[in-house]
Amino acid sequence: DIVMTQSPDSLAVSLGERATISCKSSQSVLYSSNNKNSLAWYQQKPGHPPKLLIYWASTRESGVPDRFSASGSGTDFTLTISSLQAEDVAVYFCQQYYSTPSITFGQGTRLEIK
Amino acid sequence: QVQLVESGGGVVQPGGSLRLSCAASGFTFSSYGMYWVRQAPGKGLEWVAFIRYDGSNQYYGDSVKGRFTISRDNSKNTLSLQMNSLRPEDTAVYYCVKIRSAVITYDAFDAWGQGTMVTVSS
Repeated sequence: DIVMTQSPDSLAVSLGERATISCKSSQSVLYSSNNKNSLAWYQQKPGHPPKLLIYWASTRESGVPDRFSASGSGTDFTLTISSLQAEDVAVYFCQQYYSTPSITFGQGTRLEIK
Repeated sequence: QVQLVESGGGVVQPGGSLRLSCAASGFTFSSYGMYWVRQAPGKGLEWVAFIRYDGSNQYYGDSVKGRFTISRDNSKNTLSLQMNSLRPEDTAVYYCVKIRSAVITYDAFDAWGQGTMVTVSS
């Protein structure tokens, strides 16, 4: 299985400041047929299911605010929230779908307000 | 809009069985691969089972292989998960999840149900 490792496990950021979460995969998730990285980011608020934020490593899902951005390739990926809002408090997960159907998720990063 | 509504969760003794269902609406169900993904209390996300859009192939996570069966009825827009020989470690919220793109299996998950809780305890 491809192991996804996020860092940090938890993060406290002041309102209006930048938040950055890292995700590393144990092997490349670059999909050769379309030269895209099979990496997604999700946001999960308490008592709710995960919500898709980003797919193909950097494409924002429809309706997701543009303060959310993501980058990376191969095995190293980053999710950035440019200006933290109160409603962004959540747990964030990365996911690889390169090895579909055996997809795997990172352990999650808890984001809080400082 | 896309809706996925799970049902069938509950409390069951170790060794028992449960059948989960997911009613899908708002999209052409028969065109999309579907997953069951679970989340143990306070824990991360684990894929349980996947079925292709036409039901032609099913795949299972190692922890449930041989005990769980995923199926779908495209005429009724319903996804199911038959869970047998349940263990305490199967305790989790079970989510019905839709793949973002039609037919293609290599893609992210763009819709999740609210989940149904399964508790395995004596």
